Amino acid sequence: GPKVLQIPSHQIIDMGQMVTLNCDPVSNHLYFYWYKQILGQQMEFLVNFYNGKVMEKSKLFKDQFSVERPDGSYFTLKIQPTALEDSAVYFCASSLEGRISDYTFGSGTRLLVI
Amino acid sequence: GDQVEQSPSALSLHEGTGSALRCNFTTTMRAVQWFRKNSRGSLINLFYLASGTKENGRLKSAFDSKERYSTLHIRDAQLEDSGTYFCAAEVVSNYNVLYFGSGTKLTVEP
Repeated sequence: GPKVLQIPSHQIIDMGQMVTLNCDPVSNHLYFYWYKQILGQQMEFLVNFYNGKVMEKSKLFKDQFSVERPDGSYFTLKIQPTALEDSAVYFCASSLEGRISDYTFGSGTRLLVI
Repeated sequence: GDQVEQSPSALSLHEGTGSALRCNFTTTMRAVQWFRKNSRGSLINLFYLASGTKENGRLKSAFDSKERYSTLHIRDAQLEDSGTYFCAAEVVSNYNVLYFGSGTKLTVEP
C-alpha cells in the first residue's frame, strides 16, 4: 500500500547544531503529523499541519522546532539548535481526511544528539 | 501520554494459544486504532473502531467509549504474530491528536 518515507533513518548530530528531518508523505494526503518517542516511553504528539499551516502543537513542540512543506515537497521538521533531550525517534504520519482511520505512519528517524 | 494505559507491557504465548491486550483511557475517547509495528519499524493499521467490535482472522478488537477501554484479542497465536502492538486513541474534542499506549511486546514461542 501507500507508504510514508522518512529520510534519514538515523542521524547523529552535535548538540547545538541544526537538524532537518524529512518526510515524504502519501501523495494525495493533506494532513501531516510529527510524533516523538523517547526510548522506553510512549509516542507523543508534536504537531499537525494542514493547508500550509500548523493547526495544533503540543508543549513538546519547543520554540526551536519548526515545520514546513514547501511546494508539496517533503514535510520537514527542523530543530535549531538541538539539545540532548531531543534524542528520540521521530515519526511522521500523513492522512487524507485527518482522521485516525486513514493515518499512514513512516518508520521513524532515530535522532541522537551528542 | 497519561491518557492511555496499555497492558501488559510484555506477553509471551505458545503457538496456538491466545490472550488479550487492553488499553484503559482516563478520558472519553472518540475512537481507537490498534497498530502493529512491523520489522522495519512502521506502524501497520490493524483495527479502527468508533464503537463495538471488529474481527479480522485471528484478531478481534472491542472499544467501549463509555467504559473507557479497548481490547485486542489474539487467538491461535502464530510465530509471525510476534511484535509490538500499540493502541492509539483520539479524544472527543480533538480528532487531530492521537494518544498512544506504551505498547505490548508479544512473543509467540513454538
